[in-house]
Amino acid sequence: KQEVTQIPAALSVPEGENLVLNCSFTDSAIYNLQWFRQDPGKGLTSLLLIQSSQREQTSGRLNASLDKSSGRSTLYIAASQPGDSATYLCAVRPYSNTGKLIFGQGTTLQVKP
Amino acid sequence: DAMVIQNPRYQVTQFGKPVTLSCSQTLNHNVMYWYQQKSSQAPKLLFHYYDKDFNNEADTPDNFQSRRPNTSFCFLDIRSPGLGDAAMYLCATSRDPYMVSSYEQYFGPGTRLTVT
Repeated sequence: KQEVTQIPAALSVPEGENLVLNCSFTDSAIYNLQWFRQDPGKGLTSLLLIQSSQREQTSGRLNASLDKSSGRSTLYIAASQPGDSATYLCAVRPYSNTGKLIFGQGTTLQVKP
Repeated sequence: DAMVIQNPRYQVTQFGKPVTLSCSQTLNHNVMYWYQQKSSQAPKLLFHYYDKDFNNEADTPDNFQSRRPNTSFCFLDIRSPGLGDAAMYLCATSRDPYMVSSYEQYFGPGTRLTVT
């Protein structure tokens, strides 16, 4: 059974700091991994999607890496800003025909001015 | 510009009173998903529609039903809401999951359900 874990559960950093969020999964049989952002009481905004054949994806100040064999992904945020404060969730799509995503519980990030 | 729309954004219902949540999409995706997210927990898939084919997750309670009258709309019906059903309900869409390279799930803003 696929399980996704995100550590730490919460993180507080000063503005301007570079930071890394971690995601691990137990079964490497995945099609892809997706990182989402969730603001309090809101839905999910997709940040980056990494296919299983890819090693990393970049969008602006965000860079996500994937090491499928070790069951790990990281989300790197450069020059953090208070507006980056949110919960970040990773989700994997296991091999199946349903397209189902398995989510981690998220890392809640606070960037202090 | 909204691609996945959920109505209402906030819903209050009484214990045991049936409630329906709505999702619509402008992406013309053939798959629509419903996830339940309880406070500080990971979203959990309840069921999904692949075109008109309904696919239930094994551990989804019978209290939860869904309807998809056409490509654009999908409804979540909770027949007899209990206090434990209070949660954020997220609707998502994707293209054909068989087409791996094009696969990405797009989420709506969610409906927060309160049960009194």
